[in-house]
Amino acid sequence: SQELEQSPQSLIVQEGKNLTINCTSSKTLYGLYWYKQKYGEGLIFLMMLQKGGEEKSHEKITAKLDEKKQQSSLHITASQPSHAGIYLCGADRTTSGTYKYIFGTGTRLKVLA
Amino acid sequence: NAGVTQTPKFQVLKTGQSMTLQCAQDMNHNSMYWYRQDPGMGLRLIYYSASEGTTDKGEVPNGYNVSRLNKREFSLRLESAAPSQTSVYFCASSDTLNTEAFFGQGTRLTVV
Repeated sequence: SQELEQSPQSLIVQEGKNLTINCTSSKTLYGLYWYKQKYGEGLIFLMMLQKGGEEKSHEKITAKLDEKKQQSSLHITASQPSHAGIYLCGADRTTSGTYKYIFGTGTRLKVLA
Repeated sequence: NAGVTQTPKFQVLKTGQSMTLQCAQDMNHNSMYWYRQDPGMGLRLIYYSASEGTTDKGEVPNGYNVSRLNKREFSLRLESAAPSQTSVYFCASSDTLNTEAFFGQGTRLTVV
């Protein structure tokens, strides 16, 4: 199993509805990143969270990191077709003094107009 | 304004053929990564390089080799392609810890 698990795996919502995507880690998160991927394209960085309880917003997207730093949520308010894509959470991991990025399983979002 | 550049964008290989995926970044980043993306699996780390001259295995290294040619370039080689290696491959780079990674546009590889 992967260290970062996302839920749900896929989501279909009507335009204008709110939605939440969750990312859960088996280890403490020291840097949590949210990316969006449009179908067939590369990843676009959305936000980074580092501190327990931290919350950041960009336009209609809000991301939070819980106090224990093992779970993050991404909330989209009043969804639009432009929000469609795959959302991935990523995290820093340090191994023997070097660091790397790992990613979650992804959530595929479809917004119906 | 190139960022991370991957080549090729698409490739079809026959089982047993070899090929090298190229990646270059122009942001002077120390770390570079190769991932593969499969439906329902998110991005899985194949290999990474924390600095020029070093490489380390990620989650799914079997069947792949890498070379960090210099600070800019990090290549991924498939010596004997298998259908299980059909995937979309992404190269990424990052500067230091706690900064975001930048991604290439991906290489869609099909092995028949």
